[in-house]
Parts: sequence; C-alpha cells; structure tokens
Amino acid sequence: GAGVSQSPSNKVTEKGKDVELRCDPISGHTALYWYRQSLGQGLEFLIYFQGNSAPDKSGLPSDRFSAERTGGSVSTLTIQRTQQEDSAVYLCASSLRQESRPLAKNIQYFGAGTRLSVL
Amino acid sequence: QKEVEQDPGPLSVPEGAIVSLNCTYSNSAFQYFMWYRQYSRKGPELLMYTYSSGNKEDGRFTAQVDKSSKYISLFIRDSQPSDSATYLCAMSDRRRTYKYIFGTGTRLKVLA
Repeated sequence: GAGVSQSPSNKVTEKGKDVELRCDPISGHTALYWYRQSLGQGLEFLIYFQGNSAPDKSGLPSDRFSAERTGGSVSTLTIQRTQQEDSAVYLCASSLRQESRPLAKNIQYFGAGTRLSVL
Repeated sequence: QKEVEQDPGPLSVPEGAIVSLNCTYSNSAFQYFMWYRQYSRKGPELLMYTYSSGNKEDGRFTAQVDKSSKYISLFIRDSQPSDSATYLCAMSDRRRTYKYIFGTGTRLKVLA
C-alpha cells in the first residue's frame, strides 16, 4: 500500500477484555515499530521488528502486552486483560531497513494509529 | 527529568510570521534528529531529518542542530493556517538508531 495502514482506527473495550491491533507496513519495509501516545505524553517506544524478529521489546509495559509479525509484513499488537491505563493511541511505523547509515533508509513513517479506550 | 524536553504550547502566531520551535535534550549520544508534524487524530508526518550539527533547509522549513548546547530548532517561514498542528521532535543514538525518543510536542496555531 501507499502508507502504513492500521486497524481498527478506534476500539472501545471493557476492562479485562483482550484486544488485537493490526498494522500493515509500507510494502518493502523490513523494519516495523510500535509506539504508544498517551494524553499529554510524547510517543513512547514499545517494540521494534526486523523482519519477523523482535530485537528490542524493552518498551512493552508489562507481560500483558505482546506483539508478533508474520511474513515480514503484517504485525499484531495484543493487549490482554486490558486496564484503564492502557487507553491511548497506538501508533505503528515502518522503515526501509535499520542500519547506521544512510539515515534516509532508517526514517520511520507512521500510520494514523488505533485509538483505544478501555472503559 | 525527561531525555527530551519540548514546550507544549500552545503557540499562536499570525499568518506570515516566522515560527521557532525548540527541543532540548540531555543525552549527548543522540546523533539523529527528526521533526514530525501531527494533525489532530492523524499519525505523525515526517518534515525534516538531520544527522549533523548545523542547518538544513527544505522549502519554508529549516532544521537547526546545536550538539554542543544539546538544542535543536525548527523554523517555519511565512507560516500558513495549514501549518496549525502539533510539532514533535524525535532523536536517536547510533547504537539504537531505531529507538526514537520523542518530545511531548508543541501545539502551533497560525491565525488567518
């Protein structure tokens, strides 16, 4: 596709339910990232994929959060037993690759995000 | 203290003004600097990126990096109402180029 696509755009769930958020990266991009944007906060790094592997998942807030990527393309972020503090916008980004130079190939392009509300 | 500090605004300017947006940072290992624009309920859109100290210009936008002061700026010339958005700075270091550390964003309003 032309850009990073995320679905759903909005998700309302009840506390304790599980949710799955989907990300379709830009075609040909091997690197994929998840961030969380809470009200009044900057974007917070969650996890980075290179291909189907996640070399850095240090930003996942708890073991209720997990993510996978299949076929080097689509990624799913799963939140189990959702809590009210999980309410935020979850943003996905992709880049051509990740290496120290040239910088242009590392630049991350973002989707519109999934707005999650936990009641 | 946050690694990246950014004044949240809002910053209101008249159309045609020069806008200056700034971020300070504490981690001297940061080497890559990006500016994103985010409209309400949209994803961040890349405006500028730079690796080195100095200035980089692209149309009405100029990005400036001063590593000695740990200070970066984005200047917008001839600002337009369509520039009204939240501007986010982001940066990363050489060891983990993928891990962008973002400022909280500055909300800009350009008044017609």
